[in-house]
Amino acid sequence: ETGVTQSPTHLIKTRGQQVTLRCSSQSGHNTVSWYQQALGQGPQFIFQYYREEENGRGNFPPRFSGLQFPNYSSELNVNALELDDSALYLCASSLAGGWLEQFFGPGTRLTVL
Amino acid sequence: QKEVEQNSGPLSVPEGAIASLNCTYSDRGSQSFFWYRQYSGKSPELIMFIYSNGDKEDGRFTAQLNKASQYVSLLIRDSQPSDSATYLCAVKDPHDKVIFGPGTSLSVIP
Repeated sequence: ETGVTQSPTHLIKTRGQQVTLRCSSQSGHNTVSWYQQALGQGPQFIFQYYREEENGRGNFPPRFSGLQFPNYSSELNVNALELDDSALYLCASSLAGGWLEQFFGPGTRLTVL
Repeated sequence: QKEVEQNSGPLSVPEGAIASLNCTYSDRGSQSFFWYRQYSGKSPELIMFIYSNGDKEDGRFTAQLNKASQYVSLLIRDSQPSDSATYLCAVKDPHDKVIFGPGTSLSVIP
């Protein structure tokens, strides 16, 4: 198991609601990346946080936002939920600037009804 | 647009055979390459990473990288039913962003 944790494990919301997902990075890692994985697809990059700043963003609308805290943990916030937001949300931690690989948490399964 | 492509499969091989998984990428500036295994309902698990052209072996797994052809592959020798999973190719670009392919589903038949 990696040292990356995510909460909650599962979540059910309705359209239009807002959701916050949380991630604690592996010890020593200063970078957190968030991914959305729809059923049967590869993970899609949402954004990355490094030292509390957004450090790159994928093709996701502004209603997807995030934060990184001084201890390098991170939150993903999604406003105005849509049915297509139903997916597995993965966070991965890594050490920026090096060759080290990133390690994934167990994910949060979000269902939007 | 930066892309990572894989054959979606499913790829079926008999137990004990060699499974060959392929991946191509579009960004020539990509520097590191990863193979993840993902079981149904679970998060991706890192199997191997490779940075230099050539082969890298780890147990039953061999990763091969050819930067000139923008091609990376994973060979699984002596395939076992427990290897049945989706295999994700991932590429780290010069800005530390990791882009994933769609994955290849592998089924090892006993």
